[in-house]
Amino acid sequence: DGGITQSPKYLFRKEGQNVTLSCEQNLNHDAMYWYRQDPGQGLRLIYYSQIVNDFQKGDIAEGYSVSREKKESFPLTVTSAQKNPTAFYLCASSWPGNTIYFGEGSWLTVV
Amino acid sequence: QQQVKQSPQSLIVQKGGISIINCAYENTAFDYFPWYQQFPGKGPALLIAIRPDVSEKKEGRFTISFNKSAKQFSLHIMDSQPGDSATYFCAASNTNAGKSTFGDGTTLTVKP
Repeated sequence: DGGITQSPKYLFRKEGQNVTLSCEQNLNHDAMYWYRQDPGQGLRLIYYSQIVNDFQKGDIAEGYSVSREKKESFPLTVTSAQKNPTAFYLCASSWPGNTIYFGEGSWLTVV
Repeated sequence: QQQVKQSPQSLIVQKGGISIINCAYENTAFDYFPWYQQFPGKGPALLIAIRPDVSEKKEGRFTISFNKSAKQFSLHIMDSQPGDSATYFCAASNTNAGKSTFGDGTTLTVKP
């Protein structure tokens, strides 16, 4: 099946720890994105990439890092510098400027 | 600067009624206007989309109305059902320039 696969679905982070969320797509899309969604809130763009080996900061990039070494993969690392990381994280992909296809999301909780 | 403004923030409609959600944009370079539907704990999914060469698009009970001169577009859900209860996001993008801009979302509750 074509789509976006995010893992893990649920992740717990201890204080001071870095964690990485995985995102893989087999839609052959050039563009990939990471969004953060807090309960009852909208979608906030963390990082996006329109081509392999290139990515740009979104609106809330502080405390996060990404890489885009392969077209299919766009992992997100939540670093210890992100002081309030508990949220629902959504990975997505698209042809630039067109319909965005979202994954099922990953829940990150600080313990 | 928010480029897409969505209203209302929340909406309660009786079963069988019409739900209307509005969005306004600023950037005249936008040429693609999708609506996404999100159920709790799930990722958003495309519901319906329109391009500015038409003023209306209908798919089943869902209709987008587009007013290019006013830079506004709206989603109408006819005969609203409890299963339509979800969060709806409008978005806008320039297909030549990349990423989309989302509205803040509208939480729709359809009461039985």
